[in-house]
Amino acid sequence: DAKTTQPNSMESNEEEPVHLPCNHSTISGTDYIHWYRQLPSQGPEYVIHGLTSNVNNRMASLAIAEDRKSSTLILHRATLRDAAVYYCILKTPMRGSGDKLTFGTGTRLAVRP
Amino acid sequence: DTEVTQTPKHLVMGMTNKKSLKCEQHMGHRAMYWYKQKAKKPPELMFVYSYEKLSINESVPSRFSPECPNSSLLNLHLHALQPEDSALYLCASSQYTGGTYEQYFGPGTRLTVT
Repeated sequence: DAKTTQPNSMESNEEEPVHLPCNHSTISGTDYIHWYRQLPSQGPEYVIHGLTSNVNNRMASLAIAEDRKSSTLILHRATLRDAAVYYCILKTPMRGSGDKLTFGTGTRLAVRP
Repeated sequence: DTEVTQTPKHLVMGMTNKKSLKCEQHMGHRAMYWYKQKAKKPPELMFVYSYEKLSINESVPSRFSPECPNSSLLNLHLHALQPEDSALYLCASSQYTGGTYEQYFGPGTRLTVT
């Protein structure tokens, strides 16, 4: 699987937007960009994914660069509950045999009240 | 119901014991996964089952033996483990969604090998 690079840690103030960057310069044309997060003492939780276009859902937005070599996860208003490790993962679809998620080291997000 | 359940939550076992971890989902997903997560590290894939057949084994030692008795259940049988196998064991499931799969994770079983 192609590699992703994320900052080790970031801080944000509560109720402010947060932009979490991810570099993936070796992405291939069929790779999807996935984001998961892991809250303390819990299993990872799916956040969002995209291929080429920007994506929005109830949790976050995903902005994908035009050349697809980088992406940014946007939390519009950080809450204390958003403090977690955020993983950016590249995933090549493997229909019929299940997906293989290769987690990088992720970004630990701290949210200040 | 978008829940993956895992039992037990915590397990302490000796190096000569045999134990099993259990994972269950009722979302109709046909792919299930075992991951291992050491403290302060990201999860690492161990096994993938697709349609109840083992499709990926990430060179896991034979002291870990997975089993998928039906489409809702996934077990991980443990035997003769080492202290370095102490970790959080995560189960996940997925079904084809929008061109790729989104995985749902359980809360994990925290295993301590003494």
